Amino acid sequence: DQQVKQNSPSLSVQEGRISILNCDYTNSMFDYFLWYKKYPAEGPTFLISISSIKDKNEDGRFTVFLNKSAKHLSLHIVPSQPGDSAVYFCAAEETSGSRLTFGEGTQLTVNP
Amino acid sequence: EAGVVQSPRYKIIEKKQPVAFWCNPISGHNTLYWYRQNLGQGPELLIRYENEEAVDDSQLPKDRFSAERLKGVDSTLKIQPAELGDSAVYLCASSLQGNTEAFFGQGTRLTVV
Repeated sequence: DQQVKQNSPSLSVQEGRISILNCDYTNSMFDYFLWYKKYPAEGPTFLISISSIKDKNEDGRFTVFLNKSAKHLSLHIVPSQPGDSAVYFCAAEETSGSRLTFGEGTQLTVNP
Repeated sequence: EAGVVQSPRYKIIEKKQPVAFWCNPISGHNTLYWYRQNLGQGPELLIRYENEEAVDDSQLPKDRFSAERLKGVDSTLKIQPAELGDSAVYLCASSLQGNTEAFFGQGTRLTVV
């Protein structure tokens, strides 16, 4: 039972363009949503989060959008840079600081 | 500030052998997590500690896996005996209690042959 799903295993974009990574979830009890970035041979690094009471959170080039009725969230990166090339994981939890449920990840490649 | 430190980085063992992983969380973080990440998948929680108490171990295969967090700081995760299917990256993470953001270590890549 995959409660958090990232349907696109990979995404390729041109430097300077927008990258949009998508994530769907099924558990209506999820209250917090996070995006992590992972480089090869390193652990995941926290990128940005959003609480279920909000529909948008912005941090520099990164914006996360939450559509609770559709159980969908997305991460926008504008403008994309080659250093953004990594695997991006969507994660969710029911209570802050409890169990994170991760998606399968999306490999983003930003081409110079 | 030092991040989450894990050792070893890599481990290759034969099946049926025991193996142990060690984690030193970020200073002051009372919540510690062990996750397992299989190839091509996201991390899955094995166990979560609040200080020295295991508060969520529902996903830990208790017939062969054990964990401890003595004194509420460092933690070890043990597998005995290891099976081929245990090959994965084992990630340790820590956070302030009740805080959403968890900080991950680099992980231990286990290969069981």
